[in-house]
Amino acid sequence: EAQVTQNPRYLITVTGKKLTVTCSQNMNHEYMSWYRQDPGLGLRQIYYSMNVEVTDKGDVPEGYKVSRKEKRNFPLILESPSPNQTSLYFCASSPRQTMNTEAFFGQGTRLTVV
Amino acid sequence: DAKTTQPPSMDCAEGRAANLPCNHSTISGNEYVYWYRQIHSQGPQYIIHGLKNNETNEMASLIITEDRKSSTLILPHATLRDTAVYYCIVSSPYSGSARQLTFGSGTQLTVLP
Repeated sequence: EAQVTQNPRYLITVTGKKLTVTCSQNMNHEYMSWYRQDPGLGLRQIYYSMNVEVTDKGDVPEGYKVSRKEKRNFPLILESPSPNQTSLYFCASSPRQTMNTEAFFGQGTRLTVV
Repeated sequence: DAKTTQPPSMDCAEGRAANLPCNHSTISGNEYVYWYRQIHSQGPQYIIHGLKNNETNEMASLIITEDRKSSTLILPHATLRDTAVYYCIVSSPYSGSARQLTFGSGTQLTVLP
């Protein structure tokens, strides 16, 4: 089954403790990205990647890092989480061809930083 | 990307057609109209997209006006499981993917029994 898998689904952590949210897709997609969703602010893009070793900032990249060492994986790293990074996070992937592309989203990771 | 305007909420009776409007008056010639939905706090789900012609798939129909300044997503026989936030997104072909989708506030569709 084609899917984007995020782990963990839920995470509660303390301020300053480094964490990684994993994202993996099994569709051989070139494009992957991370979004955060907050009440009243909608979905905002954090980082995206067009292929292995190619990443770029989205709209709200501060406080986050990403890496794309393998095509299927695109982890989101919070080096020193803060309470304002409490949010619902989504990973997405899509193929590179420009026409008729749809993005596939993971089921989300709800992060709470206390 | 062009911005879109959607009503914040709509109700629809179960079994009836749900017609969700979207205004995108500043859309440019090569920009597509995409629709996604988000059920509760799940990941957004792709529904349909189009450029200028009307489109239909197993989930919905998309009607785009001739001047392309607005569109309507039609769910022909809404069910309770169609209750979700529906997002209309205008994007160029190179951005209509996980490269960059700009989500607005969407329309909360509630299907009533």
